Amino acid sequence: GEQVEQRPPHLSVREGDSAIIICTYTDSATAYFSWYKQEAGAGLQLLMSVLSNVDRKEEQGLTVLLNKKDKRLSLNLTAAHPGDSAVYFCAVSASSGSWQLIFGSGTQLTVMP
Amino acid sequence: GPKVLQIPSHQIIDMGQMVTLNCDPVSNHLYFYWYKQILGQQMEFLVNFYNGKVMEKSKLFKDQFSVERPDGSYFTLKIQPTALEDSAVYFCASSSEVSNERLFFGHGTKLSVL
Repeated sequence: GEQVEQRPPHLSVREGDSAIIICTYTDSATAYFSWYKQEAGAGLQLLMSVLSNVDRKEEQGLTVLLNKKDKRLSLNLTAAHPGDSAVYFCAVSASSGSWQLIFGSGTQLTVMP
Repeated sequence: GPKVLQIPSHQIIDMGQMVTLNCDPVSNHLYFYWYKQILGQQMEFLVNFYNGKVMEKSKLFKDQFSVERPDGSYFTLKIQPTALEDSAVYFCASSSEVSNERLFFGHGTKLSVL
């Protein structure tokens, strides 16, 4: 079945720097890709999602890149600020016809002032 | 944005007891999900529910688990009987028919089985 690997597990950056989180997946039929943010004690907040026909999407300081050839999904936070500190998860759809989201193991992002 | 509410936020019970976790999904959503997250591990899919039926379940969805949404009220996850390994945070999610791949998650219910 689908395997998702996420790195790095921990990431510390200074305020104003960019932060990049990467997920790789194994199933070339994966059709849906998303990024979630989980703040301490809270649920998951959907940040951005893309379908497999999209290579790049930008919204409000976030950039999602999808490289289907390498089966790699990335999230780039440009100009990070302390409020971005949280755990970030990628999540991809399982094979066609499945309802499951397969989550990455998460990245604890710390943005220092 | 749309909110999914989960009640209670924390539940402590003795092993072998029954527990019901409640989820109030986004009002016009018709797809409902439960995910399980053990401390320090990644979120794992349990079950998907639509139109009164379980559409898909994972191997984590043991025979002791059941889900229902009677008469449009709470979407519930019942565990009977509970086991120690059921201790985890359970997240409910919902999605719409128009955009069923976009899940909105609740804050989770932390279940502690003693």
